[in-house]
Amino acid sequence: AQSVTQPDIHITVSEGASLELRCNYSYGATPYLFWYVQSPGQGLQLLLKYFSGDTLVQGIKGFEAEFKRSQSSFNLRKPSVHWSDAAEYFCAVGSGGGADGLTFGKGTHLIIQP
Amino acid sequence: GAVVSQHPSRVICKSGTSVKIECRSLDFQATTMFWYRQFPKKSLMLMATSNEGSKATYEQGVEKDKFLINHASLTLSTLTVTSAHPEDSSFYICSARGGRTDTQYFGPGTRLTVL
Repeated sequence: AQSVTQPDIHITVSEGASLELRCNYSYGATPYLFWYVQSPGQGLQLLLKYFSGDTLVQGIKGFEAEFKRSQSSFNLRKPSVHWSDAAEYFCAVGSGGGADGLTFGKGTHLIIQP
Repeated sequence: GAVVSQHPSRVICKSGTSVKIECRSLDFQATTMFWYRQFPKKSLMLMATSNEGSKATYEQGVEKDKFLINHASLTLSTLTVTSAHPEDSSFYICSARGGRTDTQYFGPGTRLTVL
C-alpha cells in the first residue's frame, strides 16, 4: 500500500528566509507525486507535480521540488518565503497520473514570522 | 480554468437526517470525481471514486449505504450522507479529473456538522 509521511507538523520560518518541507513516500512502482497548498476557506491548490523526466520540478508561486528515488523523497523548497505563503501544505502520491485517488500526508502547517 | 465548486460550503443538520453535497466542475468535463474526508489536523482520506454513468468505487472501510454517491453527468457528482450522526461531522472535499490533463482539481470543501 502506498503511504506518505510529512515528518514536520508545524514549521516556522521568518519572512524572506528559505523553506524546505519534507515528504517521504512509500510506493511499489514509479510514483506520481504532488504538492498541494490549502488556505483557510479555500480548496487545495496544486503547486507542482512529478510524473517523470527531470527530477527537479518547478511549480507556481516560486516553489520547486526535487524527486529523489534513492531517498523516496519529494521535498518542497522555496528560496524566499512571503507572509502569504502561510498555509497548510500537503504532499500526495498517486498512480496512473490523476486517474486514481490520491494518498495524502498529514500536512505541514507553515507559519511565517515577520 | 479548471474550477470545481461545492455546495453548500457548510451545513448543520440534526442526527438522523440526510444531507446532500454537490460537486460541480464549472469549466471542464470531469470523467472522474473523487470524494475525500478531512478530519481536524489530519490528512485527506479518499472515500470513493466515481465515474460518470457508473457505480462509485468505495475505499475499504467506507460504508456505501451510508455515503451515497451519484455521478449523473460529466459536470456533477453528489454525495449524500444518509441518517447522519455526530461522528459523520467532518470536512468533505471533492476533486475532479478531466480537461486537458489528468490533474485533479479540488473543490473548496463542505463543512458538515451533525448535532
